Amino acid sequence: QKEVEQNSGPLSVPEGAIASLNCTYSDRGSQSFFWYRQYSGKSPELIMSIYSNGDKEDGRFTAQLNKASQYVSLLIRDSQPSDSATYLCAVNPNRLFQKLVFGTGTRLLVSP
Amino acid sequence: EPEVTQTPSHQVTQMGQEVILRCVPISNHLYFYWYRQILGQKVEFLVSFYNNEISEKSEIFDDQFSVERPDGSNFTLKIRSTKLEDSAMYFCASSDGDRGVDEQFFGPGTRLTVL
Repeated sequence: QKEVEQNSGPLSVPEGAIASLNCTYSDRGSQSFFWYRQYSGKSPELIMSIYSNGDKEDGRFTAQLNKASQYVSLLIRDSQPSDSATYLCAVNPNRLFQKLVFGTGTRLLVSP
Repeated sequence: EPEVTQTPSHQVTQMGQEVILRCVPISNHLYFYWYRQILGQKVEFLVSFYNNEISEKSEIFDDQFSVERPDGSNFTLKIRSTKLEDSAMYFCASSDGDRGVDEQFFGPGTRLTVL
């Protein structure tokens, strides 16, 4: 069974701090990794994709991938109250078939 | 900005009835998907669709489920005989697989309530 694991949280950070969200996956052959943000009652919104080991930055967000450790993380700099949401890690275990396996998500709370 | 749309936003049905959930994927995308999320649980893959046929389906996607692309824009999910446990949010997604990237963009979802 291909699994994606996340700490459910909540992760509480003060406004302006860095929030660090982590994810591990079980399928060593996985090639594509994604972070989605989901507000309560809404659909997943794509924040970042990452395919290669290392860091990928987009604005306040940085995704980090370590395939050897089967570990993906998302850093949110200068956290804002509007960042309060559930962050979903998703993995495509086989790019030939294009399906996503999601973690349960980490709830982030940013206090003003 | 192009987006995936879904109708209806909320569907209430009686157990045993058939429902059809509708989606309009992003226009130049080639891959289409259905996912579901039971309240408080993780998002689960149901089915992927490419070139007018199913490319992969999960264990959840049994004979009660079917998908169709009836025309050039719509993508539908049919549940033939709904069960109480089918109550969930159903999300349609699409991706532009032709560029070698597989970012999937989700629609707003249809909340299905089976009574």
